[in-house]
Amino acid sequence: DVQLVQSGAEVKKPGESLRISCKGSGYSFTTYWVAWVRQMPGKGLDLMGIIYPGDSDTRYSPSFRGQVTISADKSTSTAFLQWDSLKASDTAVYYCARRAFNYEYFDSWGQGTLVAFSS
Amino acid sequence: DVQVTQSPSFLSASVGDKVIIACRASRAISNYLVWYQQKPGKAPKLLISAASTLQSGVPSRFSGSGSGTEFTLTISSLQPEDSATYYCQQFASSPLTFGGGTKVEIK
Repeated sequence: DVQLVQSGAEVKKPGESLRISCKGSGYSFTTYWVAWVRQMPGKGLDLMGIIYPGDSDTRYSPSFRGQVTISADKSTSTAFLQWDSLKASDTAVYYCARRAFNYEYFDSWGQGTLVAFSS
Repeated sequence: DVQVTQSPSFLSASVGDKVIIACRASRAISNYLVWYQQKPGKAPKLLISAASTLQSGVPSRFSGSGSGTEFTLTISSLQPEDSATYYCQQFASSPLTFGGGTKVEIK
């Protein structure tokens, strides 16, 4: 079975750095694009960017370019989403999702990672 | 960018009711539209691809139709487990865009 397993919830302070992960299994990780999707509290879905783990080709949605970094490690079948300096407005659940082969929609999703802030 | 607008944003219906959710694209997108279901605290789940293709394991009471700019997701007989938020997403052009969601509540 295809599985995407994400790292656990994080509680951070503004200005801190963070990297969350998404480990794929049950399929050829290097031949499917993996996306990151943000869901702010009580809101809809925002596509942040997408990476092809086979060659690390990465595309960012305009709103997120320069705000986050997406990467992947083929050797561990893991994709990453990274912030250098978090803002309180980054509070959200972040999902990774596998893009369907040859189609730009998402056929398998991780369980989500909550990023929250402490004062 | 192709905007996708869902309506209504919220609906409340009884078990057994027929429910219809609409999604309108800002320009023609052929059948490059999918529907997801998201239950509270869970990840979205792909229900329907290419506007009308039911994914494996999805109950047959769900169906999708439409082409061009107008699309619908229909639940023929609403069940308690269908309480969720439903999203459409267009994949005709980048950036990929999602509708704002329709929350379905069981009366």
